[in-house]
Amino acid sequence: QPVLIQPPSSSASPGESARLTCTLPSGINVVGYNIYWYQQKPGSPPRYLLYYHSDSDKGQGSGVPSRFSGSKDVSANTGILVISGVQSDDEADYYCMIWPGNTSVFGGGTKLTVL
Amino acid sequence: QLVQSGAAVKRTGAAVKVSCKASGDSFTYRYLHWVRQAPGQALEWMGWITPSNGDTQYAQKVQDRLTITWDRSMTTAYMELSSLRSEDTAMYYCARSPYLGDEIDIWGQGTLVTVSS
Repeated sequence: QPVLIQPPSSSASPGESARLTCTLPSGINVVGYNIYWYQQKPGSPPRYLLYYHSDSDKGQGSGVPSRFSGSKDVSANTGILVISGVQSDDEADYYCMIWPGNTSVFGGGTKLTVL
Repeated sequence: QLVQSGAAVKRTGAAVKVSCKASGDSFTYRYLHWVRQAPGQALEWMGWITPSNGDTQYAQKVQDRLTITWDRSMTTAYMELSSLRSEDTAMYYCARSPYLGDEIDIWGQGTLVTVSS
């Protein structure tokens, strides 16, 4: 199973933007994959946020604000979740996910702290 | 909506079977997945079943111990994990995706399985 690398922690002040990364292993090119993003708060199941493949192929989860968006850094083989105008309610764990074939794999998760 | 069975406590070496009742039309549940999360750890995808024909796919890590089934009459999926170890202690979630390779967008409430010796 490939390993998706996410920084364990990140922080942002209210109103700032948070940029959470998900690095794919060498041999799996981010260009060819949808990157799915989930938010999880303590004691709750994950919540689907969005997926990003390209600017012309992306999707937002039901009811997810547009201040959550995705992108890629192809040179770094990385998927990116951007949270614009961070709010205190955004404090949570965030996970990326891909489908390398018929199986799925999650990243290790990033805990976002709102200062 | 996906509603799971209650918490379970099992001995090392035993098996556990968790249910996931699906409500809604069959189209809504083309693929049902099981994802687990050990305490303080990341999400781990375990496998899926497609209720229409019972096809399954399992993660390599658990494929020798995991069985996912579907009861059409009860519209319920089951996840059975055998030869339990302490590291299987986790919250187990069932969830659905509309198609294979799509977002997993509807999640059950989770079932805590505790394995002790």
